Amino acid sequence: AQSVTQLDSQVPVFEEAPVELRCNYSSSVSVYLFWYVQYPNQGLQLLLKYLSGSTLVKGINGFEAEFNKSQTSFHLRKPSVHISDTAEYFCAVNRNSGGYQKVTFGTGTKLQVIP
Amino acid sequence: GAGVSQSPSNKVTEKGKDVELRCDPISGHTALYWYRQSLGQGLEFLIYFQGNSAPDKSGLPSDRFSAERTGGSVSTLTIQRTQQEDSAVYLCASSWDRNQPQHFGDGTRLSIL
Repeated sequence: AQSVTQLDSQVPVFEEAPVELRCNYSSSVSVYLFWYVQYPNQGLQLLLKYLSGSTLVKGINGFEAEFNKSQTSFHLRKPSVHISDTAEYFCAVNRNSGGYQKVTFGTGTKLQVIP
Repeated sequence: GAGVSQSPSNKVTEKGKDVELRCDPISGHTALYWYRQSLGQGLEFLIYFQGNSAPDKSGLPSDRFSAERTGGSVSTLTIQRTQQEDSAVYLCASSWDRNQPQHFGDGTRLSIL
């Protein structure tokens, strides 16, 4: 079975402060990991992805995430947030099984940046 | 270039009616996905098409839900005999291939009265 856990449903943070949005997954096979962002009244956008190689991946808008295989985590970080980062963030796990792709999303974390 | 296009953007219908939701993926993308996002819930995977292979229907919640993808491009998601719990935002996404990043449409907001 495959699951994705985003422990924090809401994260309030002051502008220019650092933030970490947590994502843990469980899977018995190798996976690919993604973070998506959904701004208010918009569709989802890809923020960053980990397919292979370096475990530290950099995405758009200054975000980065680190794949930790031993802890089965893929936490999203930004050293200094802006008001415009207020959005909902989804972690997603993607694996192939028998030729079919299985995608599982977390329940999302609402990031609220406070001026 | 054009992104993933979904129509209609909003749909309000009465309980018991059938609805069709349409998705135009990005040209050349072989993989197409349908999800739904219910209020207060995370994204729920519904169905996945990859090229000409049989689709992965494992996420469809009931036999009232079905989807087609004609000519490897446009897809329609059909919900028969709609019920109030079907109210949600239905999102479509496409990607170059499996395990490549998905590009999402803006979704169809479905409301069942």
